Amino acid sequence: DAMVIQNPRYQVTQFGKPVTLSCSQTLNHNVMYWYQQKSSQAPKLLFHYYDKDFNNEADTPDNFQSRRPNTSFCFLDIRSPGLGDAAMYLCATRRGNSPLHFGNGTRLTVT
Amino acid sequence: QKEVEQNSGPLSVPEGAIASLNCTYSDQGSQSFFWYRQYSGKSPELIMFIYSNGDKEDGRFTAQLNKASQYVSLLIRDSQPSDSATYLCAVTLGAQKLVFGQGTRLTINP
Repeated sequence: DAMVIQNPRYQVTQFGKPVTLSCSQTLNHNVMYWYQQKSSQAPKLLFHYYDKDFNNEADTPDNFQSRRPNTSFCFLDIRSPGLGDAAMYLCATRRGNSPLHFGNGTRLTVT
Repeated sequence: QKEVEQNSGPLSVPEGAIASLNCTYSDQGSQSFFWYRQYSGKSPELIMFIYSNGDKEDGRFTAQLNKASQYVSLLIRDSQPSDSATYLCAVTLGAQKLVFGQGTRLTINP
């Protein structure tokens, strides 16, 4: 089945230790999104790729970076995680005006 | 003004009644609107999408859109305890930026 896959499901990292979260899709969607969701809050858009064009939200900290080496893969890099970065990270894809397809998310714990 | 606003609730509705969820948005040019349901610890799942003014029905769910008032709503008829979840309104702003409201926590009481 075509889908959006996030790895890992659970990630534990130490304060200040770089971490990379990955997302892959078999839907051939041209737009990919990264959202951060903290407990009892709505998903917050960090950035999105429209084809190869990178769109960063103004309030996304510089600590967060992203790479999209090809249509199928997108990575979220957190250069120096802080305790406040502990959250669920959601990857989603879409084509045109269609609804978002979400992965299962990666829950990040920072110790 | 927030780009997408919802009443965070909690909203409590008796089983079998109609639950009404509301959402307003700030960008007059927005063209696509979505309702997602999210259970605790899970990813959002799509309930409805609507692009044109008026009503769109799918089973027990009806989405309503009024672009002039910048307002979109979701009605859930014959509410069931399994409908208890957080409901997220999402709106496309600009070309592809899709922003969520803060969500409304809905509880259906048996």
